[in-house]
Parts: sequence; structure tokens; C-alpha cells
Amino acid sequence: QSALTQPASVSGSPGQSITISCTGTSSDVGSYNLVSWYQQYPGKAPKLMIYEGSKRPSGVSYRFSGSRSGNTASLTISGLQAEDEADYYCCSYAGSSTWVFGGGTKLTVL
Amino acid sequence: EVQLVESGGGLVQPGGSLRLSCAASGFTFRAYWMSWVRQAPGKGLEWVANINQDGSEKYYVDSLRGRFTISRDNAKNSLDLQMNSLRAEDTAVYFCARYRAQGQNFDYWGQGTLVTVSS
Repeated sequence: QSALTQPASVSGSPGQSITISCTGTSSDVGSYNLVSWYQQYPGKAPKLMIYEGSKRPSGVSYRFSGSRSGNTASLTISGLQAEDEADYYCCSYAGSSTWVFGGGTKLTVL
Repeated sequence: EVQLVESGGGLVQPGGSLRLSCAASGFTFRAYWMSWVRQAPGKGLEWVANINQDGSEKYYVDSLRGRFTISRDNAKNSLDLQMNSLRAEDTAVYFCARYRAQGQNFDYWGQGTLVTVSS
């Protein structure tokens, strides 16, 4: 149950697109298309943004999209806006009814 | 509106115990799996435990199994986390989250309760 690997930080200018990677192993990300992504503002609760790798919950902007290739999942945010500045966490099912999160990525909108 | 409100956090000495609670409202509590997720100060999220709808199935992160116990009271719409033999590294904000089995995600979260383990 080792944490998934995410870049510590990414940045982009308003209107640009950014991608956050989430690297796991063949025991978690690589075995299950069950990666979810969460947005968290400082001092606030996480919010579900993507589930099952690429599905968006009702109310989440179409600018957020997810994908997976092998042991790596990715979150892409297009048309960056100032309000997107937050921490982002990936999470994967890891088998045997356990889950593992990534270390988090701080997104800065320049 | 789904609401999850945690309580019970505070300062506890190393080796001590603490019981966290989460009051749920706005949905049919007994129909959902529930979870605890924690976040150490300035660190990332860590899944702690899950419990199924009737409390018959419980799962824990390997590092905590044996010290923490998750439980629920469907009559009171309440989720608990009993934490024993606490260590400094257990210092964190503990979040209660609703687990959605269809989609395998944590779809609603509480605001968290801070547990500080220190002498």
C-alpha cells in the first residue's frame, strides 16, 4: 500500500491546459480502471472531480478530464481558470478492498 | 443535501485513546459504505478504513490494523472511529467520507476533525 506518485507541483497560465500524472503499480492503477481525482482548497474538504478514470460527477466542469495508460493515470484541466488553483489528489483501488492515494499536486495558476 | 459532520478530535497524549464520530444526514445512511480518510499537517490524504452498509465488513490500511476500529450505528446515522495506542504520527485531520460503491469513489466528505497526539 505505497502512495501513488504525483508531481509536487504544476503550473500554468489562464486559458492553458495542464496535466497531472499519477503513477502507481500493476497492483493498483495498472490493474483497475478505478482511479478517482479530488480537488482540495486549503483548509477545506476534498471534492470528487473524476471517478472510474474518466467520468465526471454531475456539476463538475467539462474542463476536467481523466485518462489512464498502463500504471499511470492523468488528470487534464483545460482552459485554466484562477479558481482551479488548488491541491489535486489521485486515488486508486488497490485490491482486497483497500485504496491508496497519491501524495498530491499543488496547481498554481500564474 | 448530504451533510457529514465529524466530532471528537482534540489533544491526546501518546499511548492514549480517542473516539471520533461522524453524524450523517441528507441521504439514506444505511444504504452506503462509509470511510475514514486522514491528512497529516501539510501532507497528502491517506485512506484509513471502510465499513459496509450493515457493519459486517471492515477494511483497514495495513499500517493501522489492530489499533483503529471503524463502526457504525444505522439507527443513529452515525459513523465512529475508535483509535487506540495513539502515536505522534497519527496527528492529522480525520475526514469522514461517503463511499459510493457504484463508481468506487468517495463522493461526499465532511470538514474533518483535528487529532493532535502530543505530550
